[in-house]
Amino acid sequence: AQKITQTQPGMFVQEKEAVTLDCTYDTSDQSYGLFWYKQPSSGEMIFLIYQGSYDEQNATEGRYSLNFQKARKSANLVISASQLGDSAMYFCAMSPFGNEKLTFGTGTRLTIIP
Amino acid sequence: GAGVSQSPRYKVAKRGQDVALRCDPISGHVSLFWYQQALGQGPEFLTYFQNEAQLDKSGLPSDRFFAERPEGSVSTLKIQRTQQEDSAVYLCASSLGPTGQPQHFGDGTRLSIL
Repeated sequence: AQKITQTQPGMFVQEKEAVTLDCTYDTSDQSYGLFWYKQPSSGEMIFLIYQGSYDEQNATEGRYSLNFQKARKSANLVISASQLGDSAMYFCAMSPFGNEKLTFGTGTRLTIIP
Repeated sequence: GAGVSQSPRYKVAKRGQDVALRCDPISGHVSLFWYQQALGQGPEFLTYFQNEAQLDKSGLPSDRFFAERPEGSVSTLKIQRTQQEDSAVYLCASSLGPTGQPQHFGDGTRLSIL
């Protein structure tokens, strides 16, 4: 079984600052994938970034990067130069290789302050 | 459109009625998933199809929940004899498969049981 823990229910960040959203996971699988999704108030889930457990380099996608520390079982999302449009719920999720179903954390509500 | 399409967007039903929720995945996507999202929570896995085969239905809460994808494209989630605890947002996602491919979500169906 997999478990995702997001310990920050809410965060407030000044516009243009960088922000780190924490995610730790627990799994007995050797191979797995880690995902981050953004859910604005309108409700759609938007895929942001993916990291495979065997990837040696941290994933990056534009302003998003994933700080992957396998030994610590953490997969924190870093957003650089935050924008007002980044205000949303952010979910960390994982799936073991060979079974695509996602296990989600409880999410972090990020609010960007102008 | 190019994205995952779900209908209806909102559904209100009386307790005891049957409901059917539709999902039209991205063309060419092999894998299709249903999730249930309670207010303020992360999505919870319900079931998963690869083409027309239902590979995992371990998340379906009871035998009142039934999903199908008869031709490997459009999927329907049916809930019989609805109860108030079925009220939630039902999200559909599709992916190219196999492991490691991101899931792309629809806007969801918000189901309210009175």
